[in-house]
Amino acid sequence: QQQVKQSPQSLIVQKGGISIINCAYENTAFDYFPWYQQFPGKGPALLIAIRPDVSEKKEGRFTISFNKSAKQFSLHIMDSQPGDSATYFCAARPPSGNTPLVFGKGTRLSVIA
Amino acid sequence: DTGVSQDPRHKITKRGQNVTFRCDPISEHNRLYWYRQTLGQGPEFLTYFQNEAQLEKSRLLSDRFSAERPKGSFSTLEIQRTEQGDSAMYLCASSPEVGQPQHFGDGTRLSIL
Repeated sequence: QQQVKQSPQSLIVQKGGISIINCAYENTAFDYFPWYQQFPGKGPALLIAIRPDVSEKKEGRFTISFNKSAKQFSLHIMDSQPGDSATYFCAARPPSGNTPLVFGKGTRLSVIA
Repeated sequence: DTGVSQDPRHKITKRGQNVTFRCDPISEHNRLYWYRQTLGQGPEFLTYFQNEAQLEKSRLLSDRFSAERPKGSFSTLEIQRTEQGDSAMYLCASSPEVGQPQHFGDGTRLSIL
């Protein structure tokens, strides 16, 4: 049973455009939703995270939008750059942090000039 | 470099051999996690430690897998009698306390011939 479903599997965006990646979760007990960025040959790096008591969080060009009632959250990358080309993973974790992260399957983003 | 360090970065071995990987977490991080990542998938949880205590093991962690964190600092993951299906990237992550963000190493890529 996949607890976090991520889409699309791959995404091509023009330089300067907006990249949007979506995730849906099933477990209403999840209370922490991070996004990780992974370059080839590297481990995932924490990009931005949100808790369900807010609907949006912005850090630089990266924004998480969170819809608790729909059990969905998304990552928006504004003014996408070729250097943003990477695989992005959404994840979720139940309360207390005593259990590990559950990851989506990832989205491979390619930003073309 | 004060990030999570994993060794070796790559391991090629014949089916049936035993392999051992090492993870050095960020200094003073109490929590240490092992994940496995196969091509086109997100990381999947294997096991985690709070200091030297192994608190949870995934059902992905068969009897051929064993992990230790003897002094609450570095950890080792051993796979006995390796099988073709063990080919994957093995990722280690650490966090300072319960509920804090996890920081990943760059992984050990295991290839079984």
